[in-house]
This record gives sequence, C-alpha cells and structure tokens, in this order.
Amino acid sequence: GQNIDQPTEMTATEGAIVQINCTYQTSGFNGLFWYQQHAGEAPTFLSYNVLDGLEEKGRFSSFLSRSKGYSYLLLKELQMKDSASYLCAVLDSNYQLIWGAGTKLIIKP
Amino acid sequence: NAGVTQTPKFRVLKTGQSMTLLCAQDMNHEYMYWYRQDPGMGLRLIHYSVGEGTTAKGEVPDGYNVSRLKKQNFLLGLESAAPSQTSVYFCASGGQEREAQYFGPGTRLLVL
Repeated sequence: GQNIDQPTEMTATEGAIVQINCTYQTSGFNGLFWYQQHAGEAPTFLSYNVLDGLEEKGRFSSFLSRSKGYSYLLLKELQMKDSASYLCAVLDSNYQLIWGAGTKLIIKP
Repeated sequence: NAGVTQTPKFRVLKTGQSMTLLCAQDMNHEYMYWYRQDPGMGLRLIHYSVGEGTTAKGEVPDGYNVSRLKKQNFLLGLESAAPSQTSVYFCASGGQEREAQYFGPGTRLLVL
C-alpha cells in the first residue's frame, strides 16, 4: 500500500527553527509537495521537490532524499502566523497526489 | 482574479437527500480535482478531470458523481447523502500533473 508518515503535532518557539519530517512509501515517485493549511482554510502551495537536495525559498526550505523516501520542511525565524498544519504529498506513478495527514505546528511566544 | 471558488460554503443535509457542489476556476487550468478532508486523515481524491468533457475516479469515488461540461467548472454530486459523507470538500485546479494544485475555500457538509 501507499503510505505517507509525518508527526501529528509539533511545538516550537517564536524566532526559532523547526524541521518537519515526512517519510513515504508509494508506487512510483514523480515529486513531493509541501502545503500549508491554516485552521478552517484551504491548503496553499509551499514547495515542490523532484530531485535530491535542498530547495530554499525565503524562510522556508524543503529537502528530498529519494533513496531514503524522506523529505523535510525547514522553517526559520518562526512567526506566530506560521502556526498551521503542514501537509506532505507525493505524486505517484499515476500522477495522483497521495497526502499525509499533516503536522500541526504550534508556535509559542 | 478569483482563483478557485466553491459554492456553497456550508450545507446541512438529511440522509438520502441529494445535492451538487459547484467549483469554478478562472486560471484556465486543464486539471481539476475534488477531495474530501476528514480529521486525522490526509486529503483523499474523490474524482478528477484532465480536461473539458473528461472525468476519472480517484481513491474514494463511491456515492459521488462529477461532470466537467465547461473547462472552468467542475461539479460534484451526491446522489443519496449518508452520514459517512459528512466532511470538508475541497476543489482544486492545476495546469499539469507536476504543477502545484490551487484549492478553493472548501465546503463543509454535515449529513444528519
């Protein structure tokens, strides 16, 4: 079966750095997406990785290791507005997105 | 530029009733999707479309039907609502498979 694993909840302090991990087992791989979803709102796109390595975009970075079936999202200089759920999703061999259940990130002052 | 819009935002149905959820996008995207989101679970694909006049089943299609008569619109129908269909429904659109999907604000459906 296909499986995406991410921690259910994480807590971090404003101004700090947090790393949210995602491991996957899917039938085929055509890329990995990270989305942010604030409570009661729609998911919004953060990043896309298809090759191994680190992609940096402002305060957010995303890393991929295809051989390990592993990705992480790194958030720097945390702000209160970063409190949200972060969704990991893998594009499988049929070009369908398989979604993790999401990691709820709580930022404390 | 509205992006992806969904109507209605919230609906309460009784078991056995039917309804249609409307999704519209103004980004000229070929691909459109319907997902449901339930607590503790990832988004699950119900149906999708790769272009006007085409539809295909996703992971959880039973109890739902869809139509894509116009490129900009994607309709999701519930033929006979059941309490198990209580969920938040999201529509999304995208240009190609490897591109990001853009989501509507969601429809919260409660089936009693």
